[in-house]
Amino acid sequence: DAKTTQPTSMDCAEGRAANLPCNHSTISGNEYVYWYRQIHSQGPQYIIHGLKNNETNEMASLIITEDRKSSTLILPHATLRDTAVYYCIVRVAFEANDYKLSFGAGTTVTVRA
Amino acid sequence: GAGVSQTPSNKVTEKGKYVELRCDPISGHTALYWYRQSLGQGPEFLIYFQGTGAADDSGLPNDRFFAVRPEGSVSTLKIQRTERGDSAVYLCASSFEGTPQLNEKLFFGSGTQLSVL
Repeated sequence: DAKTTQPTSMDCAEGRAANLPCNHSTISGNEYVYWYRQIHSQGPQYIIHGLKNNETNEMASLIITEDRKSSTLILPHATLRDTAVYYCIVRVAFEANDYKLSFGAGTTVTVRA
Repeated sequence: GAGVSQTPSNKVTEKGKYVELRCDPISGHTALYWYRQSLGQGPEFLIYFQGTGAADDSGLPNDRFFAVRPEGSVSTLKIQRTERGDSAVYLCASSFEGTPQLNEKLFFGSGTQLSVL
């Protein structure tokens, strides 16, 4: 039972902002939204996470809707090195037994020159 | 300062053989995870260690799979009587304490590509 829904793939232009959507309509009040990405032949890499406020770090921004049923990961200036599979994951942060990340199939993002 | 290291990077074996996959976590990380990733799919949880003990092995597919972490650092995933369906990338990750309340990041290695012929 997938907790998130993401498009299978998307293309974006180098130098432009890439907006990656994620639906999590059954998210609970104590669940965070996490984003990881996986570049070819590497392990997943943490990008960002948030609960209900928008978050920004050196890699990306995370915009969460007010009802928390969906979110968007924004890569402000996509480069060819951002080509990867992007995983949106919801995870309970305050359950002692729920420490593992459950990955779906993710979105394959291809940045084109 | 090195990241999570996994060896070998590639392992080819024959059906029925025994294999061991090694993971060196980031120094000081007490939590260690094993995942398996089949082609075109996201990583699938196998087992989680907190220190030396396996806190959750619910993801291990059957009793041919076993993992150890005897000194709370390096971990070895062991697969007996390998089958062609075991072919996948086996990923290891570590985190500082494994405490979800801290919203810890998981740091992944590059994985071991296991091919069972």
